[in-house]
Amino acid sequence: DVKVTQSSRYLVKRTGEKVFLECVQDMDHENMFWYRQDPGLGLRLIYFSYDVKMKEKGDIPEGYSVSREKKERFSLILESASTNQTSMYLCASSFGAMYQETQYFGPGTRLLVL
Amino acid sequence: SQQGEEDPQALSIQEGENATMNCSYKTSINNLQWYRQNSGRGLVHLILIRSNEREKHSGRLRVTLDTSKKSSSLLITASRAADTASYFCATDGSYGKLTFGQGTILTVHP
Repeated sequence: DVKVTQSSRYLVKRTGEKVFLECVQDMDHENMFWYRQDPGLGLRLIYFSYDVKMKEKGDIPEGYSVSREKKERFSLILESASTNQTSMYLCASSFGAMYQETQYFGPGTRLLVL
Repeated sequence: SQQGEEDPQALSIQEGENATMNCSYKTSINNLQWYRQNSGRGLVHLILIRSNEREKHSGRLRVTLDTSKKSSSLLITASRAADTASYFCATDGSYGKLTFGQGTILTVHP
């Protein structure tokens, strides 16, 4: 079974802090994704990566950066956390074919920025 | 951008009844997927239907796709309390990206 793990289930940070969210997958997947999920807005793609050291902006990249130094690990970084970044963050991975791609999700990190 | 839009936003039924959720999308697709999310958890893939397929079954799930109307439906038959969750449709894009709708919240009462 594919396993996608996220470093924390719940996280409380203060405004202005630098926040790291880690995601690890164990299936040698090429693609990895970071989403945020907010009530009424569904899932929105922040960043994705289709290869090591490759990254592409999603729909809402502002205020975020990512790092993918190893194939299995994809990190989301909030350079200076703000209260509007309070949200549920979901990481996902997929095999790497161009189409017909099933994504496998981690359990999510619920981030509260005070 | 929201490609898929689910309808209804919320659905409440009794155990044993069927639940139908609909999804509409705007641009052409190669495939459409349905995912389930239990409260506070990650999403779990349920079923994928390709653009050249009209109907697909998996256990108690039946998915239809009408590309002429740019719509899909998910039917859960003989629902159980354990089916209570949010259900999302997702359409494909480049590099394996998916665009998710806002979801339908299904509540199944025992």
